[in-house]
Amino acid sequence: AQKITQTQPGMFVQEKEAVTLDCTYDTSDPSYGLFWYKQPSSGEMIFLIYQGSYDQQNATEGRYSLNFQKARKSANLVISASQLGDSAMYFCAMREAVNSGGYQKVTFGTGTKLQVIP
Amino acid sequence: DGGITQSPKYLFRKEGQNVTLSCEQNLNHDAMYWYRQDPGQGLRLIYYSQIVNDFQKGDIAEGYSVSREKKESFPLTVTSAQKNPTAFYLCASQSRQKSTDTQYFGPGTRLTVL
Repeated sequence: AQKITQTQPGMFVQEKEAVTLDCTYDTSDPSYGLFWYKQPSSGEMIFLIYQGSYDQQNATEGRYSLNFQKARKSANLVISASQLGDSAMYFCAMREAVNSGGYQKVTFGTGTKLQVIP
Repeated sequence: DGGITQSPKYLFRKEGQNVTLSCEQNLNHDAMYWYRQDPGQGLRLIYYSQIVNDFQKGDIAEGYSVSREKKESFPLTVTSAQKNPTAFYLCASQSRQKSTDTQYFGPGTRLTVL
């Protein structure tokens, strides 16, 4: 089974509009973390936002917010007021423990390509 | 400035050759990771290391080898046993002190087999 699922291979959004990128996850570990990264065409991975499994509030970072619905195992990224520079690949990722020795592993989704239209 | 460096940025290899990709970090992070990314795909974990002199296989370790002799360094060797090594390789590091800390990524190495 996929650990992280991003069902939208590509999305278009009009400049200045909001857009939601979907992410669902699967884990039996009660303690986990969820991340969103942006990857421009240059290839660098840019950290956007983090949500811990025990966090009560949805995470926000500037124009980015994470809509965390724990019971549904979803962690959607919302980008408000889209800008042309937001055009990039966006990856959802989950960190979980892999054994009792404190080892942690991060699994990435397949990504969503967002294109912002002027 | 603290960060992660990867070298070279571009690497060309002939079939049958081993090549080593460099990854260095000065963030004092315990954990380091190697990922492979194919065009239009997500990142797949090759190897990871939580402490010096210890590392674990990820999801696609076959044809790759690593070492972790120093905290700052985690080189990846792509051996001739890797059947399709052309890809973008990303190295990352992470603090084990804070569970909320993100992984920090290097700029990547693009490997092409000729």
